[in-house]
Amino acid sequence: SQKIEQNSEALNIQEGKTATLTCNYTNYSPAYLQWYRQDPGRGPVFLLLIRENEKEKRKERLKVTFDTTLKQSLFHITASQPADSATYLCAWGNYGQNFVFGPGTRLSVLP
Amino acid sequence: EAEVAQSPRYKITEKSQAVAFWCDPISGHATLYWYRQILGQGPELLVQFQDESVVDDSQLPKDRFSAERLKGVDSTLKIQPAELGDSAMYLCASSLARDSPYEQYFGPGTRLTVT
Repeated sequence: SQKIEQNSEALNIQEGKTATLTCNYTNYSPAYLQWYRQDPGRGPVFLLLIRENEKEKRKERLKVTFDTTLKQSLFHITASQPADSATYLCAWGNYGQNFVFGPGTRLSVLP
Repeated sequence: EAEVAQSPRYKITEKSQAVAFWCDPISGHATLYWYRQILGQGPELLVQFQDESVVDDSQLPKDRFSAERLKGVDSTLKIQPAELGDSAMYLCASSLARDSPYEQYFGPGTRLTVT
């Protein structure tokens, strides 16, 4: 069955460092993926979309990569700030099909 | 900025009672989704509408859950009877269309507690 994993439930880093979150998939060939941010008690908020033919996408301090050989996406936050503390969700999708969300990684940026 | 509206924000109900959630998507969004999110997990799709039609309800427990979007605008999700295991966050989302990787806009969710 399709399975999506995110590298860890929780990740703690120091302010100013780069946070790297991992999303892996098995038994699946997604055409694209999206990353969302979710704060406690709130709905997810869209951050970035990357398609299978794109290696890398950037938006301000955010960068996402998509490696179809490794079946993996990496999500980076550079110069991390305490305000970046949240749960980050990856979601894989194919055209005409629904997203499948990963379990999320809870990021804590320590001052 | 347009937002997805949901109500109520919180609901406490006893098991075997009926409960209903309401969602008003962003104007012009044809696709509407209902998700269930258990604490510590990612959202799980329950049902998806394209306009007023259900296009995917394969994960909806149809013996107790029902959903409708009568005029292709707002939507209601109902649970009857509620069970203890239904305690979760119920999220509504909308997007412009289904057959493209459009971003989904989520509402604030309804936190359901079944006692």
